[in-house]
Amino acid sequence: AQSVSQHNHHVILSEAASLELGCNYSYGGTVNLFWYVQYPGQHLQLLLKYFSGDPLVKGIKGFEAEFIKSKFSFNLRKPSVQWSDTAEYFCAVNAESNDYKLSFGAGTTVTVRA
Amino acid sequence: DVKVTQSSRYLVKRTGEKVFLECVQDMDHENMFWYRQDPGLGLRLIYFSYDVKMKEKGDIPEGYSVSREKKERFSLILESASTNQTSMYLCASSSDRELYGYTFGSGTRLTVV
Repeated sequence: AQSVSQHNHHVILSEAASLELGCNYSYGGTVNLFWYVQYPGQHLQLLLKYFSGDPLVKGIKGFEAEFIKSKFSFNLRKPSVQWSDTAEYFCAVNAESNDYKLSFGAGTTVTVRA
Repeated sequence: DVKVTQSSRYLVKRTGEKVFLECVQDMDHENMFWYRQDPGLGLRLIYFSYDVKMKEKGDIPEGYSVSREKKERFSLILESASTNQTSMYLCASSSDRELYGYTFGSGTRLTVV
């Protein structure tokens, strides 16, 4: 089945550490890629998105993601995390082959310790 | 500020009850979606609608139905609630002009006892 896979279920970091969250998808053809964040008790917010062009995408709050088409990957990175980055992160994909319905990964909980 | 509003933040219902979850958006968006969010499973699409009175099944439609009588309102209906429908339900909307820009509501946490 076509899907979106996030490699880590829970990541625990110290402040100032670097963060990288993996995301792979299995849809063929044209895809649009997203990372969403959900802070405790809040609604989902868009961190960044990729539609076309430069495969390195910069989002809000210092996050970036790199689309590697050959690897079907869209990994999220942040060079130096803060305590306020504690949240759940979701990778999402919509694909021409799936009628552009937005499909989500299982999510990665990130805990940043002060 | 644009909004997707879900009528209830928390709901507790009994097994077998008919449950209505309401979602209203004020952005004149054409497209609306219902997802459920469960730990370890992420968000799964239940139903969506690209126009008034139009509905399409998502990935997990069993046990659910929807209604979209007006453009701004998209209701999710649990005909006979069961305990395995205990979950967080999220509504989202998007515009045809920016099909990929989804705006999410705050969610309704439904507990079926």
